[in-house]
Order: sequence, then C-alpha cells, then structure tokens
Amino acid sequence: GAGVSQSPRYKVAKRGQDVALRCDPISGHVSLFWYQQALGQGPEFLTYFQNEAQLDKSGLPSDRFFAERPEGSVSTLKIQRTQQEDSAVYLCASSLVGQGAFGYTFGSGTRLTVV
Amino acid sequence: AQTVTQSQPEMSVQEAETVTLSCTYDTSENNYYLFWYKQPPSRQMILVIRQEAYKQQNATENRFSVNFQKAAKSFSLKISDSQLGDTAMYFCAFTPLASGSRLTFGEGTQLTVNP
Repeated sequence: GAGVSQSPRYKVAKRGQDVALRCDPISGHVSLFWYQQALGQGPEFLTYFQNEAQLDKSGLPSDRFFAERPEGSVSTLKIQRTQQEDSAVYLCASSLVGQGAFGYTFGSGTRLTVV
Repeated sequence: AQTVTQSQPEMSVQEAETVTLSCTYDTSENNYYLFWYKQPPSRQMILVIRQEAYKQQNATENRFSVNFQKAAKSFSLKISDSQLGDTAMYFCAFTPLASGSRLTFGEGTQLTVNP
C-alpha cells in the first residue's frame, strides 16, 4: 500500500477485555515497530520486528502485551485483560531493511480507551 | 540509557514569523541520529528534518533548519515564515547508530501559529 495502515482507528474496551490492534506496513518494508503514546506524552518503544522475527520486545510493559508478525507483513499487537493504564495511542511504523529509524513511515495509530 | 528533553510544553507564533523549539538529549554514544517529527491532530508522525551526529553542517529543509550543538547535546528546530499548517505537536527524537532502530522521543512541544 501507499502508507502504513492501522486498524481500528478507535477502540473502546471494557476493563478486563482482550483487544487486537492491526498494522499493515508498506509493501517491501521488512522492519516494523510498535510504539505506545500516552496522552500528552511522546511515543515510547514497545517492540521491533525484522520480517517475522521479533528482535526486540524489551519495551512491552507487561506479559499482558503480545505482538506477532507471522508472515513478515501484517502485525498484530494484542493486549490481554486490558487495564485503564493501557489507554493510549498505539503507533506502528515500518522501514526498509538497513534504513532503520532513518526511513520510518508511521501510521495514524489506534486510540485505545479502556473504561 | 538515553533521554530527550523538550522544556517548552507550549509555544505560539504569529504567521510569517520565526520560532525556535528547544531539545536537549543525554547519551554516552558518539554516533547517533536526531530527528524532529510533527504530529498534527490526525496523529500520524511526519518527519520534519533529521541530522547525523557525525555531520557538522546543520540540516536544512526549506523553512525548517536545526542548530545542532554536539558538545552541548542540543538540537533546536527553527521554523521560518511560520504557516497556519505548521500548527501541531513537535517531537524531538534520538537513536544511537548501534541500536539499529528504536527511537527515544521527548515529551513534545505544542506549537500554535496564529493568523
């Protein structure tokens, strides 16, 4: 596609519910990143994939957070038993191999509200 | 660990005037990249300008330029001839060359351009 596509754009979840957020990167972009942006703050790194391999998941805040990219293209960020503190915008970015942060393209994010 | 600090939560400027946004960072790395991103209400992070630390010359992109002071660990953004469309959140970001790809962001500065 022409850009990084994220869905849904908005998600309201009841506390304790599981959610799945989708990221469809630019075709040919092997690197994919997830960031969490709390209200009024800068994005914080969650995890990084190169193709289907999850190379860095050090930013995932708890074991309720899980990300996958089984075929090296679309990625899903799953949050189990959502809590109020999970309310945030979840941003996805992709880049070509070797470009890393130098060639990021971000999606428009999913705003998650946990009530 | 790297940190990025933006000490101006909000700034405003009159249309056609010049404004400077401040950013400082802390790192023990010698080789790294610095970025300024713009985030309008659509939430998509848009790259404004980037700087390689090994380059002494300050980066320039049309109306946007930086003042990179490596010894002082300072990376300010100057916007000339401000336009209404420049109204957005601006984030300073850092990535060390060695880390590959993950970005560390500052807290952001909300810039408002007034007509």
